[in-house]
Amino acid sequence: DGGITQSPKYLFRKEGQNVTLSCEQNLNHDAMYWYRQDPGQGLRLIYYSQIVNDFQKGDIAEGYSVSREKKESFPLTVTSAQKNPTAFYLCASTPLIPAPFLAPGELFFGEGSRLTVL
Amino acid sequence: AQKITQTQPGMFVQEKEAVTLDCTYDTSDQSYGLFWYKQPSSGEMIFLIYQGSYDEQNATEGRYSLNFQKARKSANLVISASQLGDSAMYFCAMREGSSTLGRLYFGRGTQLTVWP
Repeated sequence: DGGITQSPKYLFRKEGQNVTLSCEQNLNHDAMYWYRQDPGQGLRLIYYSQIVNDFQKGDIAEGYSVSREKKESFPLTVTSAQKNPTAFYLCASTPLIPAPFLAPGELFFGEGSRLTVL
Repeated sequence: AQKITQTQPGMFVQEKEAVTLDCTYDTSDQSYGLFWYKQPSSGEMIFLIYQGSYDEQNATEGRYSLNFQKARKSANLVISASQLGDSAMYFCAMREGSSTLGRLYFGRGTQLTVWP
């Protein structure tokens, strides 16, 4: 089945540690996105990538890093510089040319990763 | 300035009744798209409905319809005949421009509770 896989689903980290969240898609989508969700804040964009080996900062990129070495993979590293990393992280993707039954720009989401800093 | 504003943090509706979730947006682009997503307590994001800025008719998908008022820059979601399973967080989102790879801007969401 095609979809987006995020791992791990739950992650605990000590302060000062870097952690990497995995996002893999087998939908052959071109663009991939990382959003952060906090209660009452909605979804805020961290980074996105429209093509392999290229990515752009979103609204809250400080303390995060990404790479896009393969079309299907877009890992997010939460570094020790991120002051308040406890949150729910959602990865998403979308194709350049949507299938006829898809809305243009419709994002497909993974199930999310919940990061807790102890 | 907020691109997407959802002014209702929480809404309550009785089963089988209709409910409207408000969304206003801010853009100077002529081409844009508006989306509604549902997020149950499990955390997954479920796409509900889409309205393009050039679409003349309001979008409908089953029990969901989007009340698109372009001059007012509003894109309210109407859920008819509410069901208990509709209890969830609902997000309005916007894509600016015509590129399908553009980012989506999300609102803060409305928590809908359907009671029997």
